[in-house]
Amino acid sequence: DAGVTQSPTHLIKTRGQQVTLRCSPKSGHDTVSWYQQALGQGPQFIFQYYEEEERQRGNFPDRFSGHQFPNYSSELNVNALLLGDSALYLCASSSFLIGRDRGYEQYFGPGTRLTVT
Amino acid sequence: DQQVKQNSPSLSVQEGRISILNCDYTNSMFDYFLWYKKYPAEGPTFLISISSIKDKNEDGRFTVFLNKSAKHLSLHIVPSQPGDSAVYFCAASAKYNFNKFYFGSGTKLNVKP
Repeated sequence: DAGVTQSPTHLIKTRGQQVTLRCSPKSGHDTVSWYQQALGQGPQFIFQYYEEEERQRGNFPDRFSGHQFPNYSSELNVNALLLGDSALYLCASSSFLIGRDRGYEQYFGPGTRLTVT
Repeated sequence: DQQVKQNSPSLSVQEGRISILNCDYTNSMFDYFLWYKKYPAEGPTFLISISSIKDKNEDGRFTVFLNKSAKHLSLHIVPSQPGDSAVYFCAASAKYNFNKFYFGSGTKLNVKP
């Protein structure tokens, strides 16, 4: 079982550009959540996808968008990049129907380090 | 608005002693809490969780205590081992939005041999 995988590992972009990050969930999981972790901070919830729809969203602008594919993999897109978008982007997968008493089912990938110059 | 706070950025403990990591929250609707451990270049890994119907949950060397009236939780690691050196995050969710987790800023634990 490969667990949660993310690509690329590192990425350097210029202000104003667009970026796409990818995530493959753990086998058996159908829900993908994206988090942004700035340096010295905890992960901040961006949004969550289930059944190819955005189910929940955190306090992030519309420049952040996503997609989920029929195989449950997901993409995070960020348009018009700002210097402040530099961060570690984490993907977490879980099973939507698993109860909260099994919250440990949310597994994180290693993240994509995005640097905006 | 930081709804989950970890006010100690770092903690240093001697091997074999107890490590106590603290976490405070402001949202009274939070009723489920988790602790994650994160090593460099890896994603956070789940450690232990607690529901608000309990005030204590234990798993081996790890125990989480919840004080609902104080909106405070703590993670105790006994005995601490050098391999426990990592960044620890607490996270919380509310019943009405249970798949959305709010994270603290983390505490870096260093266990000295």
